[in-house]
Amino acid sequence: SQQGEEDPQALSIQEGENATMNCSYKTSINNLQWYRQNSGRGLVHLILIRSNEREKHSGRLRVTLDTSKKSSSLLITASRAADTASYFCATYTNDYKLSFGAGTTVTVRA
Amino acid sequence: NAGVTQTPKFRVLKTGQSMTLLCAQDMNHEYMYWYRQDPGMGLRLIHYSVGEGTTAKGEVPDGYNVSRLKKQNFLLGLESAAPSQTSVYFCASSSYRGHYEQYFGPGTRLTVT
Repeated sequence: SQQGEEDPQALSIQEGENATMNCSYKTSINNLQWYRQNSGRGLVHLILIRSNEREKHSGRLRVTLDTSKKSSSLLITASRAADTASYFCATYTNDYKLSFGAGTTVTVRA
Repeated sequence: NAGVTQTPKFRVLKTGQSMTLLCAQDMNHEYMYWYRQDPGMGLRLIHYSVGEGTTAKGEVPDGYNVSRLKKQNFLLGLESAAPSQTSVYFCASSSYRGHYEQYFGPGTRLTVT
């Protein structure tokens, strides 16, 4: 079964706007990761936040983690057409198995 | 650095045929993984390997076999393909000690008719 669940399933925004998506997970974690998948391509790792961190930034990305609520959010600021993709959160359920949610599909309109 | 590569990119099989998907990584990673991705279901782990000569079952291993004879290669075999195995298959690798980010290949789109 999936460890992570993203919300919303789909998001459509205007270029230049911010996009926020959320992830909830079920069990305790060592870290939580976000990945991006452009249409027809493999997944690309975006950012990893450890369980003792509350917020992390990477370029236009901001990730928050609330372990008490077992939730995380990914914010993409000043979106661009190239940000159109599916975004997945993922957590390890043991030392080896990375479990993914079903993803949020983001469409950035010009 | 090519990263993670997969062969082939596309394949169409008839029910009952067999095939092998090849994954190769040049990052000296210990761990390698095979996933399948189906619409609305995210990625599901088929098999994984924690080092050369080792393999283990993931969430959906039935109908698949794997081998890791060399550290850089991880093979996924379908002995008798079924339409339910129509999917996009991704290989990934990660460095020692797990819990690290995974690096994905570009995928193989397989259709079984």
